[in-house]
Amino acid sequence: AQSVTQLGSHVSVSEGALVLLRCNYSSSVPPYLFWYVQYPNQGLQLLLKYTSAATLVKGINGFEAEFKKSETSFHLTKPSAHMSDAAEYFCAVEESGSEKLVFGKGTKLTVNP
Amino acid sequence: DAGVIQSPRHEVTEMGQEVTLRCKPISGHNSLFWYRQTMMRGLELLIYFNNNVPIDDSGMPEDRFSAKMPNASFSTLKIQPSEPRDSAVYFCASSLSSGSTDTQYFGPGTRLTVL
Repeated sequence: AQSVTQLGSHVSVSEGALVLLRCNYSSSVPPYLFWYVQYPNQGLQLLLKYTSAATLVKGINGFEAEFKKSETSFHLTKPSAHMSDAAEYFCAVEESGSEKLVFGKGTKLTVNP
Repeated sequence: DAGVIQSPRHEVTEMGQEVTLRCKPISGHNSLFWYRQTMMRGLELLIYFNNNVPIDDSGMPEDRFSAKMPNASFSTLKIQPSEPRDSAVYFCASSLSSGSTDTQYFGPGTRLTVL
């Protein structure tokens, strides 16, 4: 079964600094991968998804993620953090042959002024 | 577009009571998912439906939990009897299942507290 590991349950950056949130997956077949963001007291919102096209995927709000098969990684980055990026971020993999998403435990991003 | 609608947004109940959570998916979507989010276990899929038919309920914790989807625009998740360990945020999500990677759109969630 597929699984997702997010390294670091909490990440803190300064405003304007690089954001790097790590995600590693395990899958026996080429995966479909997702990043979702959850703002306080809200549901999850899709940031971006990888569907085996380009390995560098651009999403909303200036975020992007790169699929690296050799490293089984799908890390999320943003060149310059903004205060409004403070939220919890979830990486997910779609189980092959189904619509089920398996989520990581989440990484809470804090942006300091 | 109204998005996925869930009600109630907050529910406080006493142990042993029946709880019913409701969800209205996005119009035209044919897949619906129920998730539970807790600090300890993170986000877990409980059950999902496709074209109103339950496809996978392997995440439903026990017989106290049941879910129905009587039509394409409405689903319920029922807990009877409720227990304090059921306290969590319950999310409903919907998608347009097209055979490829389909985006799931999440509702705002129902925060359940069982005393």
